[in-house]
Amino acid sequence: GAGVSQSPRYKVTKRGQDVALRCDPISGHVSLYWYRQALGQGPEFLTYFNYEAQQDKSGLPNDRFSAERPEGSISTLTIQRTEQRDSAMYRCASSFQQGVYTEAFFGQGTRLTVV
Amino acid sequence: RKEVEQDPGPFNVPEGATVAFNCTYSNSASQSFFWYRQDCRKEPKLLMSVYSSGNEDGRFTAQLNRASQYISLLIRDSKLSDSATYLCVVKNFNKFYFGSGTKLNVKP
Repeated sequence: GAGVSQSPRYKVTKRGQDVALRCDPISGHVSLYWYRQALGQGPEFLTYFNYEAQQDKSGLPNDRFSAERPEGSISTLTIQRTEQRDSAMYRCASSFQQGVYTEAFFGQGTRLTVV
Repeated sequence: RKEVEQDPGPFNVPEGATVAFNCTYSNSASQSFFWYRQDCRKEPKLLMSVYSSGNEDGRFTAQLNRASQYISLLIRDSKLSDSATYLCVVKNFNKFYFGSGTKLNVKP
């Protein structure tokens, strides 16, 4: 597809379960970002990759959250032992290169609900 | 302190009005600036980049004041379709920082 693709679009999981959220960036985009967005707030940075290298994971809330991008394309954000406070919209974005004026393109997001 | 601060609004304006949003950013070394638009239940989409000299795209004008660390967006001749949340975005070292957004409601 032409845009950033995220799956699943909606995920309902029981507290304590692990979840994996997938992001397929725009083909050829070097940088890939994960954000979390609460209702009425702007996206909050979690982590980002250049190619397969995780450049910054300072926004991950705790060690239950991890992300990988093993081949420099598709990325997975994994949340272990989910808690109700993890419920949010998780957004992935990609950017063509690391240039200063290069914008980010967002996917439609995964709405995670932990019950 | 948040990286980017915005007035959440909402701004309720009639069609045809001119409306302006400001945002401030905390890191003086910030490298680039953008305005994104987000419709309800949709993903953010780039509205325009903001350049040092200011720039215009149709009815939209963006300004940057590095000395005061604020960014503005002016919308002229508002349309009903301009109703959305406008996100101020600052890029530092390849990371994008988003404000909480300013909600605009344009009414007939």
